Amino acid sequence: EVQLVESGGGLVQPGGSLRLSCLVTGLTFSNYRMHWVRQDPGKGLLWVSGITKDGGFATYADSVKGRFSISRDNAKNTLYLQLNSLSAEDTAIYYCIRGAATNSWTPFNDWGQGTLVTVSS
Amino acid sequence: QSALTQPASVSGSPGQSITIHCTGTSNDVGPYDLVSWYQQHSDKAPKLMIYDVTKRPSGVSDRFSGSKSGDRASLTISGLQTGDEAYYYCSSYTTSNTLVFGGGTKVTVL
Repeated sequence: EVQLVESGGGLVQPGGSLRLSCLVTGLTFSNYRMHWVRQDPGKGLLWVSGITKDGGFATYADSVKGRFSISRDNAKNTLYLQLNSLSAEDTAIYYCIRGAATNSWTPFNDWGQGTLVTVSS
Repeated sequence: QSALTQPASVSGSPGQSITIHCTGTSNDVGPYDLVSWYQQHSDKAPKLMIYDVTKRPSGVSDRFSGSKSGDRASLTISGLQTGDEAYYYCSSYTTSNTLVFGGGTKVTVL
């Protein structure tokens, strides 16, 4: 059974930083592209970032480019998202997602349960 | 990266069919057959229902089907059931090498 377990969320002050982690089990992690998607509580979904299987290339939504950084450690089966220069607008549930085994950025095959990031003073 | 356009809500009676439209542009839905649909029940993570416009993952009911014409994609739910009551989101790859979601549609079973 595929499992994606996010951690690292919490309360952070505006301008602060946070690092999210996602441990993936039940499959060969290095065979898949990975993504982060966020959801404002009670609102819609926003794709945040995606990364290739070997971590050599990443792509970002305009709203987070230059502030967030996605990375992965295939030896540890773990995906990361570094969040910097946070503002209240970044408050959301952040989902870790298993992407495609092909060279496609879609679809979002499996989702974790999410970790809540709250940016507030 | 503007969101794809979905109706806020769609409703139907048990057994009926409903269709949710997802309107994009020539920068996302139009050029690619890379539209996906996700179902989200209250307080749950989203679940993949349709990918590559028309394909169903293993385990998804064949009551769910997808299509596309031009810049607009559609999700049809046939034989509507109470368990289908949820939010549905479309998503597409874009010409900017990014991905974009629709605003979500609440499906209500009357």
